[in-house]
Amino acid sequence: GAGVSQTPSNKVTEKGKYVELRCDPISGHTALYWYRQSLGQGPEFLIYFQGTGAADDSGLPNDRFFAVRPEGSVSTLKIQRTERGDSAVYLCASSPAGRAVDYTSSTSTDTQYFGPGTRLTVL
Amino acid sequence: AQSVSQHNHHVILSEAASLELGCNYSYGGTVNLFWYVQYPGQHLQLLLKYFSGDPLVKGIKGFEAEFIKSKFSFNLRKPSVQWSDTAEYFCAVTRNTPLVFGKGTRLSVIA
Repeated sequence: GAGVSQTPSNKVTEKGKYVELRCDPISGHTALYWYRQSLGQGPEFLIYFQGTGAADDSGLPNDRFFAVRPEGSVSTLKIQRTERGDSAVYLCASSPAGRAVDYTSSTSTDTQYFGPGTRLTVL
Repeated sequence: AQSVSQHNHHVILSEAASLELGCNYSYGGTVNLFWYVQYPGQHLQLLLKYFSGDPLVKGIKGFEAEFIKSKFSFNLRKPSVQWSDTAEYFCAVTRNTPLVFGKGTRLSVIA
């Protein structure tokens, strides 16, 4: 498919367990973003990759959260010692070039395309 | 920090009514503005975006939004809604920062 894909679509785990959430961005997109959406809220930024490196991880709530993108394509969000408060929908987005926006062009490179999300439930 | 305010939490309209959803942001510099829509059971989709130029932006499905810099606003409009427009609508802002989303407005269109 041409869109962003995320697996699993649903994940139920017990408090204290470790989980991994996977994101496959649109082919060729260099920028990849993770967001978290709690019930009744808009998505909140977690981390942004430009290629293989984390360009901005200021949104990660604490050191239990970690993400990697070793080959500059697929990314994995890892949550250690899960807590009930981690329950949310985790969204992944990709964009062609990230934050290098050409303000003179109507075909901006910075539009983010979202995947369907992974619904994480921590019991 | 940047913030985005969407004034209406839930809007209920009859079919063919006109729609306007408010969005205000806090950042004072040059910004990129977006409206995303999330239909029931589907993922976030881009409705329209503003980067520069004409402040009246037209998007898909008959939606448009107007950027008013002096009011820090980017309100979404549609002259005549349809039942299929029932969805959650999110305004988002960025300027070389991550997207900052509003809390969303749930639109229910009734026959």
